[in-house]
Order: sequence, then C-alpha cells, then structure tokens
Amino acid sequence: DGGITQSPKYLFRKEGQNVTLSCEQNLNHDAMYWYRQDPGQGLRLIYYSQIVNDFQKGDIAEGYSVSREKKESFPLTVTSAQKNPTAFYLCASSDPYHEQYFGPGTRLTVT
Amino acid sequence: KQEVTQIPAALSVPEGENLVLNCSFTDSAIYNLQWFRQDPGKGLTSLLLIQSSQREQTSGRLNASLDKSSGRSTLYIAASQPGDSATYLCAVAGGTSYGKLTFGQGTILTVHP
Repeated sequence: DGGITQSPKYLFRKEGQNVTLSCEQNLNHDAMYWYRQDPGQGLRLIYYSQIVNDFQKGDIAEGYSVSREKKESFPLTVTSAQKNPTAFYLCASSDPYHEQYFGPGTRLTVT
Repeated sequence: KQEVTQIPAALSVPEGENLVLNCSFTDSAIYNLQWFRQDPGKGLTSLLLIQSSQREQTSGRLNASLDKSSGRSTLYIAASQPGDSATYLCAVAGGTSYGKLTFGQGTILTVHP
C-alpha cells in the first residue's frame, strides 16, 4: 500500500523538552511538507523540502527544525523555543505542482 | 500574501439536498486549487485538484469549478448523504511557490438523516 505514515498518533511532552515527529512516505514523491493545524485557524505551513538535503522555511518555522536525509523521510523536531507547541501536526508529500497527499497526523500536547 | 476564505463556516442540511461550498482567494496567480475533506481527528483526504488552466473537475457526486480571474471556486455536492458530514477545506498553490498550499479555514458540513 502506498501512502504516508506519521508516528506516533498522540504525543505528550513536558514543557522545555524537544520532541521529534516522524513522517515517512513510499509514494516516491520529491516534495514533502509539514503543516500545523490549530482549532479555527486552518492549516499553516511550517517547513517544506523539494529534494533530499534541501528544505525551506514556511510561514511559521520559528521553534521548529527539520532534516531531509532520505527521500522517504522528513522528520520534524519541535524545540523548546516554540511558544505554543500544542497542536495537530500534518505531513504531506507530492510531486512538484501536483496533488498533495496527507498523513493521518500527530496530536502533540505539551504541558 | 495569498489569503483564502471559505463561506459558509458551517452548514447543516437534510439528507438528499444539493449544496454548494464557496472558496475565494485574493491572488489570482495560482497554479492549482485543491479541495480536501477532513474527518474529526484525522488527516486530509484529497477530493479534487483543478489546474489553473481548467474550469472544473468532477468525481462522482462532487463537482468543483474554478474562476481564476475572479478568485473563486465552488464545490458542488449532489444528493448529500450523512456520510458526507466532515470539514471541507480549500487550498491554493501559488504560481511560484513550488506547490506550497495556502488553506482556507474550512466549512463544517453536517448532513442529517
């Protein structure tokens, strides 16, 4: 089955801790994206990557970091510098300028 | 900066009705527009993709239209069913943004039996 997997589904962390969210795709897509979804605010782009070993900041990159060492993987680290990390995080992939496919999401709660 | 607005924010209809969801965007220099469905607590499911050169796309009971010059798209759902209840999101990809999507805030649809 081709698709995008995100793990874990739910994640709980204490304030001040870094946490890494996993995203893997087997669709052979070049581009991958991370979005954040908050209630009533729609989805906002955090980071995106067009090819391996390259990535760009999106609209709300502060407090986040990413890596793209393999085509299939695009992990997102939420650092302690992110002021309001509690949110629903969604990963997506696509071929350039084509339909984006989304994973099931990770719900992060920081207390 | 591209802004996407969806109207109405919420819609409740009886089963069997035909309905229209609206999406507007401020910058007409888009590459494509995508409609998604999201069930509570889940990821997004792509429904339809319209390239900027196209006027409409159809999939089953769904039909999406695009008027790029006026910055508008509509999603038409025919013969609605309770299983159509979900949040519907519209997103546009700008012409020079390598497919980065700007999302509207969504329309919450409830179809009651």
